[in-house]
Amino acid sequence: RKEVEQDPGPFNVPEGATVAFNCTYSNSASQSFFWYRQDCRKEPKLLMSVYSSGNEDGRFTAQLNRASQYISLLIRDSKLSDSATYLCAVNSYNNNDMRFGAGTRLTVKP
Amino acid sequence: DAEITQSPRHKITETGRQVTLACHQTWNHNNMFWYRQDLGHGLRLIHYSYGVQDTNKGEVSDGYSVSRSNTEDLPLTLESAASSQTSVYFCASSDLAGGDTQYFGPGTRLTVL
Repeated sequence: RKEVEQDPGPFNVPEGATVAFNCTYSNSASQSFFWYRQDCRKEPKLLMSVYSSGNEDGRFTAQLNRASQYISLLIRDSKLSDSATYLCAVNSYNNNDMRFGAGTRLTVKP
Repeated sequence: DAEITQSPRHKITETGRQVTLACHQTWNHNNMFWYRQDLGHGLRLIHYSYGVQDTNKGEVSDGYSVSRSNTEDLPLTLESAASSQTSVYFCASSDLAGGDTQYFGPGTRLTVL
């Protein structure tokens, strides 16, 4: 079993739709959680960190559920420019390394 | 502006050759990382460093080595390139150990024939 798992998608949604991604992790000692965005043939870029209390940045909301060991990303009012692959990342101070999910591909269509 | 760069951006080599990929960051970050990205596997950590003269093995370190002689650079060496090492390689850096945001370079696409 992979340490960090994501639904690979693809998710194909119309503009304006709300879409949610989940990411599960297996290491209960994980301490830090992130969502990255990766455009085709580009490097991953930080979208947002995920805090225990949940956090929101404009149309994006990230949540953490430690009991069930998953993080989620909600995108409201999807834009064409949201089309990308979304990677979740989990870090453990015990392991001192970041583990990434394989990514969920999102395509927003007109 | 501070940045992280990688070179070359594309490389084709032959099986058995030694290859070195460069990574240079100007943020003065202590932590630097090398990942490879393959379809279906996502990003996997190869090696990482928390400072000058410090190097550590990651999840998929076999066949790779790194050295850290200064803060800015972490070159990745493939001792004897294999076709299984055909991949996209990303370098990243961060300024706190174990949990801070990592910033990625543009990547190097390596093909081993």
